[in-house]
Amino acid sequence: NAGVTQTPKFQVLKTGQSMTLQCAQDMNHNSMYWYRQDPGMGLRLIYYSASEGTTDKGEVPNGYNVSRLNKREFSLRLESAAPSQTSVYFCASKGYGYTFGSGTRLTVV
Amino acid sequence: QQQVKQSPQSLIVQKGGISIINCAYENTAFDYFPWYQQFPGKGPALLIAIRPDVSEKKEGRFTISFNKSAKQFSLHIMDSQPGDSATYFCAASKGGSNSGYALNFGKGTSLLVTP
Repeated sequence: NAGVTQTPKFQVLKTGQSMTLQCAQDMNHNSMYWYRQDPGMGLRLIYYSASEGTTDKGEVPNGYNVSRLNKREFSLRLESAAPSQTSVYFCASKGYGYTFGSGTRLTVV
Repeated sequence: QQQVKQSPQSLIVQKGGISIINCAYENTAFDYFPWYQQFPGKGPALLIAIRPDVSEKKEGRFTISFNKSAKQFSLHIMDSQPGDSATYFCAASKGGSNSGYALNFGKGTSLLVTP
């Protein structure tokens, strides 16, 4: 089925560890996004990529890096995880409308 | 700074009733206003969306009302059903296909429809 695929679905990290969240879309969309969702805060934009080869900061970029590997894939990296990064992370892509993945639930202890 | 403000935070409605969720925005450059529905453990899914050249859009039991001068828009769910129980998010963005303009979300409304 066409859509946005995120891996992993769940992850527990220790403070200071690093990890990369993967996102891939098969809809040939140019724009891709990473959001984090925290209780009572809605979804906040971390980084986005308007097209292959470009990335820009969103509302809450500190502590994260991204890579737009190709048109399909947009990864989010935590270099040194902190408890404040405990959240649910959603990747999305935009064509005519926005399509969201099912999320990665990350806990940093 | 929150660019889209949503209320109420939570809402309880009886089956068959009307659920109303309101949003307000500041940025007059926004020209795309979607509503998303999210069930626990799932990603947000587009419910209905409107552009500012119309004041109302209806799809089945879901209606968006849009007031450009007041910079407000709302979601009405008619004949609310228990299956509508979910979290609803309003959002806004500068539109255009294949642009980099991201969605700005409200904080969400948790809707419970009681039998």
